[in-house]
Amino acid sequence: DAGVIQSPRHEVTEMGQEVTLRCKPISGHDYLFWYRQTMMRGLELLIYFNNNVPIDDSGMPEDRFSAKMPNASFSTLKIQPSEPRDSAVYFCASSQTRGYTEAFFGQGTRLTVV
Amino acid sequence: AQSVSQHNHHVILSEAASLELGCNYSYGGTVNLFWYVQYPGQHLQLLLKYFSGDPLVKGIKGFEAEFIKSKFSFNLRKPSVQWSDTAEYFCAVNGGNDMRFGAGTRLTVKP
Repeated sequence: DAGVIQSPRHEVTEMGQEVTLRCKPISGHDYLFWYRQTMMRGLELLIYFNNNVPIDDSGMPEDRFSAKMPNASFSTLKIQPSEPRDSAVYFCASSQTRGYTEAFFGQGTRLTVV
Repeated sequence: AQSVSQHNHHVILSEAASLELGCNYSYGGTVNLFWYVQYPGQHLQLLLKYFSGDPLVKGIKGFEAEFIKSKFSFNLRKPSVQWSDTAEYFCAVNGGNDMRFGAGTRLTVKP
């Protein structure tokens, strides 16, 4: 398996624009997580899915953020409208069984909002 | 809600020095514990994990961690660090709800 695949690797956008981050989890993994990493706040869990269903989105910072998982092999994290403070590295991770195996991380998307 | 504390934000060591990174968590039930490493510019990778059994867990690259239930701690250790260990280290705890990460400890090893 190629691992967790995220796209794009880098995204630079202007404030106010819509940004969509994409993630393909490892085949057979039924949990998918979205994390945000910044220098100030470290690694934060934004939302996670189990079998394509959002389970906990309490980490999503505000209504500008939304995430979907239309099928087992694809998830998106959307920011609309984007703001400079959204600049961060966004990681997607997947795991086979909640808590009993490790989470495998993608390479991340470095988002810069100018 | 469970939380994870890593006390050291930045640790600077010389090669061959011993390393211990602290990790404490707050959760009253059964937990699964992890240490992840993130090399510069890369994604997080699993270093070691504890689910049950021997509280002293050995991971890759000579790292080990000890689970002390009474202290709610899972400290990471390595007897002799190398320059290539320069990275950020994250402790993570899963108590059945979600996987929470500590803020991370940046380790710089001077050659």
